[in-house]
Amino acid sequence: KNEVEQSPQNLTAQEGEFITINCSYSVGISALHWLQQHPGGGIVSLFMLSSGKKKHGRLIATINIQEKHSSLHITASHPRDSAVYICAARGQIIQGAQKLVFGQGTRLTINP
Amino acid sequence: EPEVTQTPSHQVTQMGQEVILRCVPISNHLYFYWYRQILGQKVEFLVSFYNNEISEKSEIFDDQFSVERPDGSNFTLKIRSTKLEDSAMYFCASSEGQGIQETQYFGPGTRLLVL
Repeated sequence: KNEVEQSPQNLTAQEGEFITINCSYSVGISALHWLQQHPGGGIVSLFMLSSGKKKHGRLIATINIQEKHSSLHITASHPRDSAVYICAARGQIIQGAQKLVFGQGTRLTINP
Repeated sequence: EPEVTQTPSHQVTQMGQEVILRCVPISNHLYFYWYRQILGQKVEFLVSFYNNEISEKSEIFDDQFSVERPDGSNFTLKIRSTKLEDSAMYFCASSEGQGIQETQYFGPGTRLLVL
């Protein structure tokens, strides 16, 4: 059974700061998702990665398969980045479908 | 941009009643999922569905739950006799394929409150 743990659980920072959120998982995976959840509850997929690094605007996601660890970085953070960030591990393929196992989320608050 | 839609956005029901949550996945997607999130807790996997049958289900997905793709577009989750502990946000997701680069796209969720 895959366990996915995130740290920190809560993070408050000032606008402009560099943000790092960490995610560790316990067993091998096929890919890892980073997701964003806004106060209304909706979930938006930010990244899916299986190796290396991906960048989209001010967001950067990295993964180290050997260490079973991924990080999400936000450069030049802005109050609109305030949300819950969730990592989710994609496990083995079962008849083609691949369920996600979610971390508990990191609540990020960026103050102006 | 295509998106996953869910209806209703909110539903309030009495304990013991049946509810049907509806999802319209992205049109060319083949793999469908239901997840739920109890307030303050992690998102949890319920069930995956492909080729008109369940691929995998969690221990949460007991006999009270069922899924169906009644036509070419809708994907439904039915809870036969709701319990208080079924109160949660229910998310539908879909993906095009199973390749290593395939991502899952989430709907906006249905917030279910069982009284």
